[in-house]
Amino acid sequence: QQQVKQSPQSLIVQKGGIPIINCAYENTAFDYFPWYQQFPGKGPALLIAIRPDVSEKKEGRFTISFNKSAKQFSLHIMDSQPGDSATYFCAASKGTGFQKLVFGTGTRLLVSP
Amino acid sequence: DTAVSQTPKYLVTQMGNDKSIKCEQNLGHDTMYWYKQDSKKFLKIMFSYNNKELIINETVPNRFSPKSPDKAHLNLHINSLELGDSAVYFCASSQVGGVNTGELFFGEGSRLTVL
Repeated sequence: QQQVKQSPQSLIVQKGGIPIINCAYENTAFDYFPWYQQFPGKGPALLIAIRPDVSEKKEGRFTISFNKSAKQFSLHIMDSQPGDSATYFCAASKGTGFQKLVFGTGTRLLVSP
Repeated sequence: DTAVSQTPKYLVTQMGNDKSIKCEQNLGHDTMYWYKQDSKKFLKIMFSYNNKELIINETVPNRFSPKSPDKAHLNLHINSLELGDSAVYFCASSQVGGVNTGELFFGEGSRLTVL
């Protein structure tokens, strides 16, 4: 059972564009929602994370929007650059303890020059 | 100095063989994990150890046996390898006790190919 659904599977934008990746979750007990970025041949690395007590969090060019009632959250990348080309994973868990993170299926982003 | 290091990076073997992947973290974290990433890039947790104790054991065939000799090391031994075991295996660590940011630090992965 896929508890975190992620879309789209792949995305191509031009440099400067604003790619948006969406995730939806089912388990209302989830209260920690991170996004991980993975480059080819590397492990995922934490990009940004949000808790449900806020509706938006911004770090540099990356913004998470969170809609608790709809059980959805999304990642926006402002002024995207070719160096942002990577696979992005949303995830969710109950708390930040023993990280039984449930990952989305990933979105492969290509930012063309 | 690599924070979470795994060896080997690549592993090609025949069906039925037994193989091990080793992981070490120098971040001083108290918890370590094994994740499996399949050919479709789907990431799924397999095991987690906290201070050498097994705390998460997902539905994984018992051919997979993790071992944590100390809190800085977590190894994965796989018996009787099958074609479906081909994947990239990621080790990760996090700090649960004390200052807990919830961040997982991943190694670069070990790509296992079973022929």
